[in-house]
Amino acid sequence: GQNIDQPTEMTATEGAIVQINCTYQTSGFNGLFWYQQHAGEAPTFLSYNVLDGLEEKGRFSSFLSRSKGYSYLLLKELQMKDSASYLCAALDSNYQLIWGAGTKLIIKP
Amino acid sequence: SQTIHQWPATLVQPVGSPLSLECTVEGTSNPNLYWYRQAAGRGLQLLFYSVGIGQISSEVPQNLSASRPQDRQFILSSKKLLLSDSGFYLCAWSDAGHQTGELFFGEGSRLTVL
Repeated sequence: GQNIDQPTEMTATEGAIVQINCTYQTSGFNGLFWYQQHAGEAPTFLSYNVLDGLEEKGRFSSFLSRSKGYSYLLLKELQMKDSASYLCAALDSNYQLIWGAGTKLIIKP
Repeated sequence: SQTIHQWPATLVQPVGSPLSLECTVEGTSNPNLYWYRQAAGRGLQLLFYSVGIGQISSEVPQNLSASRPQDRQFILSSKKLLLSDSGFYLCAWSDAGHQTGELFFGEGSRLTVL
Protein backbone atom coordinates (compact mmCIF):
# COMPACT_ATOMS: atom_id res chain seq x y z
CA GLY A 1 0.00 0.00 0.00
CA GLN A 2 0.91 3.64 -0.13
CA ASN A 3 2.15 5.29 3.02
CA ILE A 4 3.68 8.50 4.31
CA ASP A 5 5.37 8.61 7.72
CA GLN A 6 6.34 11.71 9.62
CA PRO A 7 6.66 12.45 13.35
CA THR A 8 3.48 13.50 15.09
CA GLU A 9 4.96 16.36 17.06
CA MET A 10 8.27 18.18 17.52
CA THR A 11 9.37 20.96 19.82
CA ALA A 12 12.11 23.49 19.11
CA THR A 13 13.39 26.78 20.48
CA GLU A 14 13.01 30.19 18.89
CA GLY A 15 16.09 31.02 16.84
CA ALA A 16 17.18 27.39 16.50
CA ILE A 17 17.09 24.95 13.56
CA VAL A 18 14.71 22.01 13.21
CA GLN A 19 14.54 19.18 10.69
CA ILE A 20 11.24 17.42 10.01
CA ASN A 21 11.64 14.02 8.36
CA CYS A 22 9.27 12.24 6.01
CA THR A 23 9.49 8.77 4.51
CA TYR A 24 7.22 7.62 1.73
CA GLN A 25 6.16 4.45 -0.04
CA THR A 26 4.10 5.05 -3.16
CA SER A 27 3.18 3.35 -6.40
CA GLY A 28 5.48 5.32 -8.62
CA PHE A 29 6.74 8.76 -7.71
CA ASN A 30 6.35 12.15 -9.33
CA GLY A 31 7.57 14.45 -6.62
CA LEU A 32 7.19 15.44 -3.01
CA PHE A 33 5.46 18.46 -1.51
CA TRP A 34 5.68 20.20 1.83
CA TYR A 35 2.81 22.34 3.07
CA GLN A 36 2.45 24.48 6.17
CA GLN A 37 -0.85 24.55 8.04
CA HIS A 38 -1.57 26.87 10.94
CA ALA A 39 -4.22 25.70 13.40
CA GLY A 40 -7.70 26.10 11.99
CA GLU A 41 -6.45 27.31 8.63
CA ALA A 42 -5.91 25.81 5.20
CA PRO A 43 -2.52 24.39 4.13
CA THR A 44 -0.21 26.62 2.13
CA PHE A 45 2.50 25.46 -0.25
CA LEU A 46 6.12 25.50 0.92
CA SER A 47 8.14 23.39 -1.52
CA TYR A 48 8.21 20.78 -4.26
CA ASN A 49 11.09 18.37 -4.94
CA VAL A 50 11.28 15.88 -7.77
CA LEU A 51 15.06 15.53 -8.16
CA ASP A 52 17.49 14.40 -5.48
CA GLY A 53 19.10 17.14 -3.49
CA LEU A 54 18.46 20.21 -1.46
CA GLU A 55 16.24 23.12 -2.50
CA GLU A 56 16.67 26.28 -0.48
CA LYS A 57 14.06 28.98 -0.16
CA GLY A 58 14.90 31.58 2.43
CA ARG A 59 14.78 30.13 5.94
CA PHE A 60 13.19 26.92 4.64
CA SER A 61 14.97 24.15 2.74
CA SER A 62 13.68 20.80 1.50
CA PHE A 63 15.72 17.71 0.71
CA LEU A 64 14.83 14.63 -1.30
CA SER A 65 16.45 11.21 -1.71
CA ARG A 66 14.42 9.15 -4.19
CA SER A 67 16.49 6.00 -3.65
CA LYS A 68 15.75 6.11 0.08
CA GLY A 69 12.15 7.29 -0.18
CA TYR A 70 13.06 10.10 2.17
CA SER A 71 12.63 13.82 2.46
CA TYR A 72 13.15 16.43 5.11
CA LEU A 73 12.13 20.01 5.68
CA LEU A 74 14.72 22.18 7.38
CA LEU A 75 13.64 25.35 9.13
CA LYS A 76 16.34 27.81 10.22
CA GLU A 77 16.21 30.80 12.56
CA LEU A 78 12.92 29.64 13.95
CA GLN A 79 10.30 32.25 14.72
CA MET A 80 7.21 31.92 16.88
CA LYS A 81 5.05 32.24 13.75
CA ASP A 82 6.59 28.97 12.49
CA SER A 83 4.47 27.11 15.04
CA ALA A 84 2.21 25.08 12.76
CA SER A 85 1.70 21.63 11.32
CA TYR A 86 3.91 20.62 8.41
CA LEU A 87 2.39 18.22 5.91
CA CYS A 88 4.42 15.95 3.67
CA ALA A 89 2.72 14.67 0.50
CA ALA A 90 4.02 12.45 -2.30
CA LEU A 91 2.70 12.42 -5.86
CA ASP A 92 2.19 8.86 -7.10
CA SER A 93 2.30 7.45 -10.63
CA ASN A 94 -1.30 8.59 -11.24
CA TYR A 95 -0.42 12.11 -10.11
CA GLN A 96 -2.52 11.67 -7.00
CA LEU A 97 -1.25 13.16 -3.75
CA ILE A 98 -0.68 10.82 -0.82
CA TRP A 99 -0.66 12.84 2.39
CA GLY A 100 1.08 12.31 5.70
CA ALA A 101 -0.78 13.07 8.93
CA GLY A 102 1.40 16.12 9.52
CA THR A 103 4.00 17.10 12.10
CA LYS A 104 2.91 19.62 14.70
CA LEU A 105 5.84 21.92 15.40
CA ILE A 106 5.82 23.77 18.72
CA ILE A 107 8.20 26.69 19.07
CA LYS A 108 9.20 27.75 22.58
CA PRO A 109 10.72 31.13 23.44
CA SER B 1 -4.76 36.73 -9.57
CA GLN B 2 -6.51 33.51 -8.69
CA THR B 3 -8.66 33.17 -5.60
CA ILE B 4 -10.64 30.34 -4.05
CA HIS B 5 -13.46 30.76 -1.61
CA GLN B 6 -15.55 28.20 0.21
CA TRP B 7 -18.46 28.51 2.59
CA PRO B 8 -19.80 28.24 5.15
CA ALA B 9 -16.74 28.44 7.40
CA THR B 10 -18.39 26.70 10.32
CA LEU B 11 -21.54 24.68 10.74
CA VAL B 12 -23.13 22.46 13.32
CA GLN B 13 -25.65 19.99 11.99
CA PRO B 14 -27.76 17.21 13.56
CA VAL B 15 -27.34 13.61 12.47
CA GLY B 16 -29.54 12.85 9.50
CA SER B 17 -29.69 16.43 8.22
CA PRO B 18 -28.52 17.44 4.73
CA LEU B 19 -25.28 19.22 3.87
CA SER B 20 -24.15 21.59 1.19
CA LEU B 21 -20.68 23.11 1.03
CA GLU B 22 -19.85 25.38 -1.86
CA CYS B 23 -16.55 26.36 -3.41
CA THR B 24 -15.78 28.83 -6.18
CA VAL B 25 -12.56 29.71 -7.94
CA GLU B 26 -11.84 32.98 -9.71
CA GLY B 27 -9.10 34.06 -12.07
CA THR B 28 -8.45 30.76 -13.82
CA SER B 29 -10.18 28.52 -16.35
CA ASN B 30 -10.78 24.76 -16.34
CA PRO B 31 -9.05 24.12 -13.03
CA ASN B 32 -8.81 20.70 -11.43
CA LEU B 33 -11.02 20.85 -8.33
CA TYR B 34 -10.80 18.79 -5.16
CA TRP B 35 -12.69 18.15 -1.93
CA TYR B 36 -10.61 16.92 0.99
CA ARG B 37 -11.54 16.01 4.54
CA GLN B 38 -9.11 16.37 7.42
CA ALA B 39 -9.92 14.56 10.65
CA ALA B 40 -8.01 15.45 13.81
CA GLY B 41 -4.54 13.88 13.77
CA ARG B 42 -5.07 12.36 10.34
CA GLY B 43 -3.76 13.19 6.90
CA LEU B 44 -5.82 14.88 4.23
CA GLN B 45 -8.28 12.41 2.73
CA LEU B 46 -9.25 13.03 -0.88
CA LEU B 47 -13.01 12.72 -1.25
CA PHE B 48 -13.68 13.89 -4.81
CA TYR B 49 -11.85 15.47 -7.68
CA SER B 50 -13.00 16.91 -10.94
CA VAL B 51 -11.18 17.66 -14.18
CA GLY B 52 -14.13 19.34 -15.87
CA ILE B 53 -17.81 20.29 -15.70
CA GLY B 54 -19.91 17.29 -14.76
CA GLN B 55 -16.83 15.06 -14.36
CA ILE B 56 -16.54 13.78 -10.81
CA SER B 57 -14.27 11.04 -9.51
CA SER B 58 -14.99 9.59 -6.09
CA GLU B 59 -12.10 8.30 -4.06
CA VAL B 60 -13.90 7.05 -0.99
CA PRO B 61 -17.32 5.34 -0.84
CA GLN B 62 -19.49 7.26 1.59
CA ASN B 63 -22.73 9.13 1.95
CA LEU B 64 -21.27 12.27 0.39
CA SER B 65 -21.57 13.41 -3.20
CA ALA B 66 -20.05 16.19 -5.27
CA SER B 67 -21.16 18.17 -8.27
CA ARG B 68 -19.56 20.65 -10.64
CA PRO B 69 -22.38 22.57 -12.28
CA GLN B 70 -20.05 25.29 -13.62
CA ASP B 71 -16.38 25.38 -14.56
CA ARG B 72 -15.29 27.09 -11.36
CA GLN B 73 -17.91 25.86 -8.93
CA PHE B 74 -17.65 22.70 -6.85
CA ILE B 75 -20.28 21.56 -4.39
CA LEU B 76 -20.10 18.89 -1.67
CA SER B 77 -23.42 17.47 -0.52
CA SER B 78 -25.00 14.89 1.68
CA LYS B 79 -28.62 13.86 2.04
CA LYS B 80 -28.19 12.49 5.57
CA LEU B 81 -25.18 13.31 7.71
CA LEU B 82 -23.52 10.77 9.99
CA LEU B 83 -21.53 11.47 13.14
CA SER B 84 -18.42 10.27 11.31
CA ASP B 85 -18.84 13.09 8.77
CA SER B 86 -17.53 15.60 11.30
CA GLY B 87 -14.25 17.16 10.24
CA PHE B 88 -12.52 19.99 8.46
CA TYR B 89 -13.44 20.09 4.77
CA LEU B 90 -11.11 21.73 2.31
CA CYS B 91 -11.74 22.66 -1.28
CA ALA B 92 -8.69 23.06 -3.49
CA TRP B 93 -7.77 23.77 -7.09
CA SER B 94 -4.76 23.11 -9.26
CA ASP B 95 -3.76 24.11 -12.74
CA ALA B 96 -5.09 21.46 -15.14
CA GLY B 97 -2.12 21.91 -17.45
CA HIS B 98 0.43 21.30 -14.73
CA GLN B 99 0.23 17.83 -13.20
CA THR B 100 2.92 18.52 -10.66
CA GLY B 101 1.57 21.90 -9.72
CA GLU B 102 0.75 22.95 -6.23
CA LEU B 103 -2.70 22.86 -4.70
CA PHE B 104 -4.36 26.07 -3.64
CA PHE B 105 -6.76 25.60 -0.77
CA GLY B 106 -9.88 27.42 0.29
CA GLU B 107 -10.31 28.63 3.85
CA GLY B 108 -11.88 25.39 5.02
CA SER B 109 -15.27 24.49 6.47
CA ARG B 110 -15.47 22.97 9.92
CA LEU B 111 -18.43 20.61 10.22
CA THR B 112 -19.64 19.25 13.54
CA VAL B 113 -22.35 16.62 13.40
CA LEU B 114 -24.19 16.11 16.69
